[in-house]
Amino acid sequence: KAGVTQTPRYLIKTRGQQVTLSCSPISGHRSVSWYQQTPGQGLQFLFEYFSETQRNKGNFPGRFSGRQFSNSRSEMNVSTLELGDSALYLCASSVGTSGTETQYFGPGTRLLVL
Amino acid sequence: AQSVAQPEDQVNVAEGNPLTVKCTYSVSGNPYLFWYVQYPNRGLQFLLKYITGDNLVKGSYGFEAEFNKSQTSFHLKKPSALVSDSALYFCAVSRKGSTLGRLYFGRGTQLTVWP
Repeated sequence: KAGVTQTPRYLIKTRGQQVTLSCSPISGHRSVSWYQQTPGQGLQFLFEYFSETQRNKGNFPGRFSGRQFSNSRSEMNVSTLELGDSALYLCASSVGTSGTETQYFGPGTRLLVL
Repeated sequence: AQSVAQPEDQVNVAEGNPLTVKCTYSVSGNPYLFWYVQYPNRGLQFLLKYITGDNLVKGSYGFEAEFNKSQTSFHLKKPSALVSDSALYFCAVSRKGSTLGRLYFGRGTQLTVWP
């Protein structure tokens, strides 16, 4: 079974631009979560989607948004990019939203904002 | 509030020696605990989890972890370390419905195994 895929793997943008990242979960997984990883803040939760509905949102500004499609694929968008948005963005999928289920992570998208 | 602490930023061990990466947690209710490993420029790989039952959990690549409720700990262990085990290890607690996300991570411990 194919793992979680994320595109693109690397991205360079300039301040003020916007960016869209994509995540394809493992087949049969309906829950997708997004995390931001930075050296200073570690791994921080962005949001979680299940069946096209946002179930949970972390403490990030409204510039960060996401959505999930009927095939469970998910996108996250960051508008008006800031230098501090440079990070590794990780997507994780699981079958459902139970706290006992394992989340499987993709390789991440590394975003550099100049 | 829930939290996860990995008290050591760095752990160094010689190849062939046993290794331990420490994790303590604070969560109300039953804890669901996870260990992940991250290699450079890669995503997180699942190693093992504790949900309920036997306190000793066995996982991938020869790793195991011991859940200790009285000490609120979930230390990761391996009897004989390999150079290829060198990576960043994350402990995480899961809490359904939390605004902190279904996985709340510790800061990570960098494991270096010397040949």
